[in-house]
Amino acid sequence: GESVGLHLPTLSVQEGDNSIINCAYSNSASDYFIWYKQESGKGPQFIIDIRSNMDKRQGQRVTVLLNKTVKHLSLQIAATQPGDSAVYFCAENLDYGQNFVFGPGTRLSVLP
Amino acid sequence: NAGVTQTPKFRVLKTGQSMTLLCAQDMNHEYMYWYRQDPGMGLRLIHYSVGEGTTAKGEVPDGYNVSRLKKQNFLLGLESAAPSQTSVYFCASSLAAGTAADTQYFGPGTRLTVL
Repeated sequence: GESVGLHLPTLSVQEGDNSIINCAYSNSASDYFIWYKQESGKGPQFIIDIRSNMDKRQGQRVTVLLNKTVKHLSLQIAATQPGDSAVYFCAENLDYGQNFVFGPGTRLSVLP
Repeated sequence: NAGVTQTPKFRVLKTGQSMTLLCAQDMNHEYMYWYRQDPGMGLRLIHYSVGEGTTAKGEVPDGYNVSRLKKQNFLLGLESAAPSQTSVYFCASSLAAGTAADTQYFGPGTRLTVL
C-alpha cells in the first residue's frame, strides 16, 4: 500500500477526546460533499457524506457540519480512538457528476 | 469479494519508458476512475469511465491514456514516462456517478517513481 503526503496540517488529540477537522471548499455551487479517511498504506475510505440541502448529518461517532455561507465543512469524531489515526480529507461535487474536487487533507494523530 | 485491486504496488521507471497500471473491481460497478495523489495536494482526476468501452478526460489527463475493454478492468497507460509523473496512483469505482448513495471505492494505490 501507499502513504500520503508528509507535509499536511496535523491535529493531535488525546484518546477519548472529541476531534474536529475542518475543510474549506472552493465552489459555492457544490452540492454534495464527502469525508474520506486514509490510513497509512491504504486507499481513501468513505466516512460520511452530506448534501447541500442539509447543514448537519450524523453517523456512528461522526458528525458532518456544513456552513454554506462561509463554504466550510467540518468533521467531528466523538471519543477519538487510536484506530482513528489517519489522514482525513473532504471532497466536493457539483451536480452529482463524475468530478470531485479533493482537499489536501489533515493528519489526525491520537495520543495515548 | 476483493473490492478494488491495483497492480503493481510499486514501480520505478526511467524517463521515456512506458508502462500500464491495471485496476480491477469485482463489484459490478459502472464507473471507474484514475487519480493521482501528490504530497500536500488532494487527489486529482486523470481519466474516468462511465461504462465498458467509454473513457473521458479528467482534470490532469496529459501524458496518460486509458482503456476500458472489460467492465471490471480499467487500465492506465504512460507512453513516455516523465519525472513529473512520479506520484501515487489510485483507482476507484462506483455504482453510479456521485449520487448520495453511490460513493467511490478506492484501491490501495500504486507508487510510481520516474527517474
